Parts: sequence; structure tokens; C-alpha cells
Amino acid sequence: AQSVTQLDSQVPVFEEAPVELRCNYSSSVSVYLFWYVQYPNQGLQLLLKYLSGSTLVKGINGFEAEFNKSQTSFHLRKPSVHISDTAEYFCAVRAGYGGSQGNLIFGKGTKLSVKP
Amino acid sequence: GAGVSQSPRYKVTKRGQDVALRCDPISGHVSLYWYRQALGQGPEFLTYFNYEAQQDKSGLPNDRFSAERPEGSISTLTIQRTEQRDSAMYRCASSLGATGVYFGPGTRLLVL
Repeated sequence: AQSVTQLDSQVPVFEEAPVELRCNYSSSVSVYLFWYVQYPNQGLQLLLKYLSGSTLVKGINGFEAEFNKSQTSFHLRKPSVHISDTAEYFCAVRAGYGGSQGNLIFGKGTKLSVKP
Repeated sequence: GAGVSQSPRYKVTKRGQDVALRCDPISGHVSLYWYRQALGQGPEFLTYFNYEAQQDKSGLPNDRFSAERPEGSISTLTIQRTEQRDSAMYRCASSLGATGVYFGPGTRLLVL
């Protein structure tokens, strides 16, 4: 069975500081990995995805994530955050093949709070 | 439209009533998914379709929940005899192939 663990439920950070949001997954098959962002009172927006190839994936708004198979991690990073990055971030995994291919398994989310 | 749309955006109903939630996926997207998100939690898978075929309904919590996509496009999630514990954000998403899954704005359901 697949699962996703987001280690931090809340991450406060000052504006222009770097941030890392941690995500670990477990899966017995090859996976596709995703980060979604949910701004206040808005829907889920795809931030970036790892399907195959380069383990460093760049997304929108200056975010990037690195797939680490040996550590089963897919941490999200940004070198300098803005107030507008305040949102909830969800890591998700999807089976690469097999009967569970159709659905995403989400973590519980990390609330990023950027302070001036 | 360009994105996934859902209606209604908000639904308040009394316990015991039936509700129908509608999802209009991105044009051309083969797969359509329903998720439920409780406060403080990540989205939880309910069911998904490829075209009109329901491929997996393992996430539906009980037989009061059902979904259909009769023509392979618009889908309806129906909850019969609603209960207060059904209150949540219901999210629809669609995808083409195994790449990104794109979500709609959600329907917030409140059962009184």
C-alpha cells in the first residue's frame, strides 16, 4: 500500500528566508509524485510533478523538489519565500502502474506561514 | 471553460436529504476523480472513471454514496440520506494519461 507523510503540519518562516517542506512516501511500485498548493479560499493547484527522468523538478512560483529514491523523499524547496507563498501545501503519490493507478494518495498538508 | 468546474460551490442541506454534486472535467480528459477533504486533512480518494466506466470505487465510504459518468464527460456524485458526518469539501479532478491531475474548486457541503 502507498502512503505519504508530511512531517510538519505548520512551518512559519520570515519573508525572503529559504524554506523546505518535507515529504516522505512509501510504495512498492514505481511512483509519480506531486506537490499541490491550496491558497486561502481557493482550490488545489498543481505546483510540480515528478514522473521520470531528472530527479530535480522545477515548478511554478520558484519552487522545486528533489526526488530521492533511496530516502523515499520528495521535499519541496524555495530559496526565498514571499508573503504570497502563504498557503497549505500537499504532497501526493500515484502508482506508476497497476490497479491503483487511478488515484492520488495525499499527505495531511503543511501550512506555510510567511511573516514580514 | 479551460478548467474543471463544479456545481454548486456551496450546498447546505438537512440531515436525511439527498444531494447531487456535479463535475464538468477539462475537455478531452479521459479520467475523472472524486475526492473528499475534511477540515485539516488532505483530500481522500472516493472513486474514479475512465471514460464512462467506473474503474475504482474503493474509497466510497458506504452505499449511500454513488457516482456516475454516463457519457464519459460530466459526472455526478450522489449522497443519499445525508448525515452530519458527510459535511466536507468534495473535490473533482480530471486527467489525461498518467500526468498531472487537475482539480476543480470544490463543493462545500454542510449537513445540518
